[in-house]
Amino acid sequence: EDKVVQSPLSLVVHEGDTVTLNCSYEVTNFRSLLWYKQEKKAPTFLFMLTSSGIEKKSGRLSSILDKKELFSILNITATQTGDSAIYLCAVRVQRGNEKLTFGTGTRLTIIP
Amino acid sequence: SAVISQKPSRDICQRGTSLTIQCQVDSQVTMMFWYRQQPGQSLTLIATANQGSEATYESGFVIDKFPISRPNLTFSTLTVSNMSPEDSSIYLCSVEEAVDEQFFGPGTRLTVL
Repeated sequence: EDKVVQSPLSLVVHEGDTVTLNCSYEVTNFRSLLWYKQEKKAPTFLFMLTSSGIEKKSGRLSSILDKKELFSILNITATQTGDSAIYLCAVRVQRGNEKLTFGTGTRLTIIP
Repeated sequence: SAVISQKPSRDICQRGTSLTIQCQVDSQVTMMFWYRQQPGQSLTLIATANQGSEATYESGFVIDKFPISRPNLTFSTLTVSNMSPEDSSIYLCSVEEAVDEQFFGPGTRLTVL
């Protein structure tokens, strides 16, 4: 059974701090890993990673994948209160099966 | 990216009734999906909505409970049938645009009393 595990489950930091969120996976025929931000109901797409060692960056957010050790990290620098959300990691397996398997998420709270 | 809308955005329903959720996309997409997120849980795929054929359901989900329609490439419905309080969840549709990038609609928050 495919498994995606995120850590920590929750994190509370002060505004301006840097945070690192972790996502590890055990799947057969890995294809890609996706990060989402969920503030209310709808997850918002952040990054899609397929290759090891290539950092994807968008403003203060960045992410990298390690396919040998089967994990990804999401970094947020200079955090702001608007970064408070649940961050979800999802993994897709082989082509022809478009299913995403989601982790349980990390609830990030930024204190002003 | 495509603009995805869902109706209703929220509803409160009585046990034993059914609710149909609509998902509309502003462009034609091949792949549409329905997910459920129970309180405090992550997202679980219910089914893939296939245009012109029956939906493909994941383990633990059946057509009688969650019938799905996909009449064209921009629209799909999910019905939650014979509801019980355990069906209280957020229901989300998603579409795949570029390869491996799935985008989600705004969600429907369902409460069953």
